[in-house]
Amino acid sequence: GESVGLHLPTLSVQEGDNSIINCAYSNSASDYFIWYKQESGKGPQFIIDIRSNMDKRQGQRVTVLLNKTVKHLSLQIAATQPGDSAVYFCAEKGQTGANNLFFGTGTRLTVIP
Amino acid sequence: DTEVTQTPKHLVMGMTNKKSLKCEQHMGHRAMYWYKQKAKKPPELMFVYSYEKLSINESVPSRFSPECPNSSLLNLHLHALQPEDSALYLCASSQAYTDTQYFGPGTRLTVL
Repeated sequence: GESVGLHLPTLSVQEGDNSIINCAYSNSASDYFIWYKQESGKGPQFIIDIRSNMDKRQGQRVTVLLNKTVKHLSLQIAATQPGDSAVYFCAEKGQTGANNLFFGTGTRLTVIP
Repeated sequence: DTEVTQTPKHLVMGMTNKKSLKCEQHMGHRAMYWYKQKAKKPPELMFVYSYEKLSINESVPSRFSPECPNSSLLNLHLHALQPEDSALYLCASSQAYTDTQYFGPGTRLTVL
């Protein structure tokens, strides 16, 4: 089955710095990936997604990079703010024909003021 | 509007109780999902409904019974739960199978 994992469980950055959160996946046939942000006591919030026919996608202050050669995904957050502190999950769409997501283990981002 | 609502926010129940979790969306989405999330773990898929029909049951015990009364509502009926079922239960919806899933805030369930 699919396997989605993160390299680091925690990440601390200074306010204003850029953050990079990494994710590895094992299924080379995966074609859709999503990043979610989950704040304490809340449900996951969609941040950005990317399909396998793209290498890079940009949103507001966020960029997702996809390297299919090494099956690696990253989320870059520019000018990190205290409100960015949360757990970030990458998720991979299942390959069973339905939209079942497989989540990675999550990275807790802490922004130091 | 990308809002999925869930009630109640918190629920405490005994192992012999029967309770229900409710989820609602008014985005016209045709797929709805239940996930279970234990503390410090990622969400795990339980059920998927598409066009009000159950399409995926990820081997969930029968003490969890989903129901989709209409395209906007999704229920999860709980009966004879165990303490290890205590978790955050998340509902999500998407326009269709291939679209982004939007999550509700979850119901924090505690089984005593």
